[in-house]
Amino acid sequence: EPEVTQTPSHQVTQMGQEVILRCVPISNHLYFYWYRQILGQKVEFLVSFYNNEISEKSEIFDDQFSVERPDGSNFTLKIRSTKLEDSAMYFCASGEGLTIQYFGAGTRLSVL
Amino acid sequence: LAKTTQPISMDSYEGQEVNITCSHNNIATNDYITWYQQFPSQGPRFIIQGYKTKVTNEVASLFIPADRKSSTLSLPRVSLSDTAVYYCLVGDMLANSGYALNFGKGTSLLVTP
Repeated sequence: EPEVTQTPSHQVTQMGQEVILRCVPISNHLYFYWYRQILGQKVEFLVSFYNNEISEKSEIFDDQFSVERPDGSNFTLKIRSTKLEDSAMYFCASGEGLTIQYFGAGTRLSVL
Repeated sequence: LAKTTQPISMDSYEGQEVNITCSHNNIATNDYITWYQQFPSQGPRFIIQGYKTKVTNEVASLFIPADRKSSTLSLPRVSLSDTAVYYCLVGDMLANSGYALNFGKGTSLLVTP
């Protein structure tokens, strides 16, 4: 069964450093998403990406964040200068349609 | 997005049927009802989606009354591995761009022997 793949599974970084979280969505999907979940809290939407551009973003997705689809298979989330409060699980998702989204296993980001 | 209300938590014994009800009084004509499941330290997983009446798949059934102001996710004969958080989401399937899923706090189901 096709699945969304995320790497790395755990990323440890120092405050102020840049991190890139990587995702390989399911191959025939057109919609791509990033969500995050701070420990013990709910899953929060960050950004959606369709037709090679951002289609929607939340208030969380400020200038420190960016997304790219550098080639036909990868979808990345970059955090330019990490803060302690960026520590969370980051989930990538993809979908053919809109409300059925398939999530990866996540990347746990720890900012020290 | 229509607001949803579901119980914070539920407990069940193995082998029982579990029904989780979600209220969505402000559901719009184009909205579909979708349920996701999340295990600890994993991403949410799509379970089932419906518009009206009843939908069944290999995992669960979804019951939606005629007024669509609520829905019930039914898990037959739960096992310990069904312990998870279950989210009810309501949204417009016809939007033509990216769609932000609003997960809320979900219902934390605990299945015990």
